[in-house]
Amino acid sequence: GAGVSQTPSNKVTEKGKYVELRCDPISGHTALYWYRQSLGQGPEFLIYFQGTGAADDSGLPNDRFFAVRPEGSVSTLKIQRTERGDSAVYLCASSLNPNNEQFFGPGTRLTVL
Amino acid sequence: RKEVEQDPGPFNVPEGATVAFNCTYSNSASQSFFWYRQDCRKEPKLLMSVYSSGNEDGRFTAQLNRASQYISLLIRDSKLSDSATYLCVVNKDYGGSQGNLIFGKGTKLSVKP
Repeated sequence: GAGVSQTPSNKVTEKGKYVELRCDPISGHTALYWYRQSLGQGPEFLIYFQGTGAADDSGLPNDRFFAVRPEGSVSTLKIQRTERGDSAVYLCASSLNPNNEQFFGPGTRLTVL
Repeated sequence: RKEVEQDPGPFNVPEGATVAFNCTYSNSASQSFFWYRQDCRKEPKLLMSVYSSGNEDGRFTAQLNRASQYISLLIRDSKLSDSATYLCVVNKDYGGSQGNLIFGKGTKLSVKP
């Protein structure tokens, strides 16, 4: 069956621009997670949705980062006024519920010039 | 102290060797523990969960020592295909649910012919 998909696979933008990253979770998965992975590091938690609501957004680095999941399925991570330090691979994962295995998407590689 | 610490390696071993990875975690409230595998430029994938009693899956054995807050992974009879980065992962305490995951930096393994 279809796994987690993320679009775009690569995004190059200029400092100060706004970007949106999309995640399509596995159908029926209620929990959705966003992580960020910099080179040589493990994934770093950003935000976790249970259904439509953000159950934990403690990993968002600052108020330039925002994520939504309006219908409890697709999620969009939004980054305003991008900075070079935002360059990383943004990974999305979903699980049937918070007790179950998380399945990761292939990620979006964001490069801020 | 970092939340999850691992030796980054790299571990360079010949085919057929036995190799062990160790990991320590700082949050004594963590209740779920995992090893993930990540191939170069790919997403992380669950290798195995780690239970207090220790668990084995083929050539892979995972151990947990809650008193020492220490997790290990043993790979026997290494194969070329085992070459990857191995990520030690603990959950943030959500009363037993996975919730968001906290990843170590990963240990790189390279198995040579």
